Formats: sequence, structure tokens, C-alpha cells
Amino acid sequence: QQQVKQSPQSLIVQKGGISIINCAYENTAFDYFPWYQQFPGKGPALLIAIRPDVSEKKEGRFTISFNKSAKQFSLHIMDSQPGDSATYFCAASLSGNTGKLIFGQGTTLQVKP
Amino acid sequence: DTGVSQDPRHKITKRGQNVTFRCDPISEHNRLYWYRQTLGQGPEFLTYFQNEAQLEKSRLLSDRFSAERPKGSFSTLEIQRTEQGDSAMYLCASSSSNYGYTFGSGTRLTVV
Repeated sequence: QQQVKQSPQSLIVQKGGISIINCAYENTAFDYFPWYQQFPGKGPALLIAIRPDVSEKKEGRFTISFNKSAKQFSLHIMDSQPGDSATYFCAASLSGNTGKLIFGQGTTLQVKP
Repeated sequence: DTGVSQDPRHKITKRGQNVTFRCDPISEHNRLYWYRQTLGQGPEFLTYFQNEAQLEKSRLLSDRFSAERPKGSFSTLEIQRTEQGDSAMYLCASSSSNYGYTFGSGTRLTVV
């Protein structure tokens, strides 16, 4: 019930294309869903996050789509650039507690020039 | 203050030795977290501090692991009698709320 399942494991996209990464969760008590970007040798960096009271959030080229009934959320990267090549992690937490995050397994994105 | 600082960045140790890692959080952040990340996996929660109080520990944190945050400032994570299975990246994060962690760059531990 504490798991967050992420797919695909890896993704190759052409420059200018749309990258889509999906996550699913079981615990309906989760109420905070962030996405993190991690480059090799670095810690994860917060990219964008959503609460379950909205179905979509957009920041620049990054959009989270949230489907509460399906217990799924996804990250869309529009106009993907080679600099977006990194590993992306979705996560979920119970904000009322400690803020502990449950992470997905990660998606390695390669954007080809 | 430029972010969360972790030291050392890399540590190679022999099996059975003790190791200690340090984390300096962003100064105004009262919350501090330790996570462990193995190759190809997402970070896994280890423990959480609010100020100097350790409020939650994962089952992953066996009795060989201990973490402290004296005076609610920096934190240390010690692993005693290291095993090869302890090889991982150890990440520290801090925040001022339940949202929006800032992670450090981690300490990569290799046990040989």
C-alpha cells in the first residue's frame, strides 16, 4: 500500500518531442505528489508538485496530470531538450505526518538531438 | 547558504569498519531527512528529524545504523560493522515544511 509504481523504466525521445512518464499509487491517503529530476552524481531536485485537489498543474514545459479516481499521475515534458536528459522520480507523501516521501523506481530519459 | 552540504562525497571502506557521514542542512530548515539510494532505484526513507528530535525511523535502519542531530543543526549518520549490502548513495535533505525538500549531492559509500 505504500508503493509508488513508475513506468517506463527508460525513455528515448527526439528533441522537440513530448516525454511522458507515468506513476500509480495505492494509498488513497497520499496528498502530495512531487516529481524530482536527478542528474548523475547529484541529489534529486524538486521539479514540480501537485495536490489531489487539482487535476493538472503546469510550470513552463513541465505539466503534471492527476487522476484521483484512477490513482495515477503523470509528468509531461513538452518540447523536450537534450538538457532534460536525466532520471526522473515520482513520489508521494502524507503531508500531515513527517513529510516522508515514497519514491517510484525512476525513469531514465534520453533526449536525442 | 548555498544548499544542503554532505561530507564526504565518496567513501570506500572495508567490510566490518565503521563509517560516519555528515550533513549540513540549509540553516533555516528545521526538518532533516536521510534517504538511501541504490543503483537504478528511487531513494528510500531512513529517518527524520525535527530540530534535534528523531521522530521517525525506517525498518531499513537496522541497529547498526544510528543518526543524530545535536542542537538541531548538522546531522551525522553512522554505520557500524559495515556490510557489502550497505553500499549505496546516502542522501540528506532538509526543509522548512512538509513540502519541497532540498537534497544534498549525497555520500556514495562503497564497502569492499
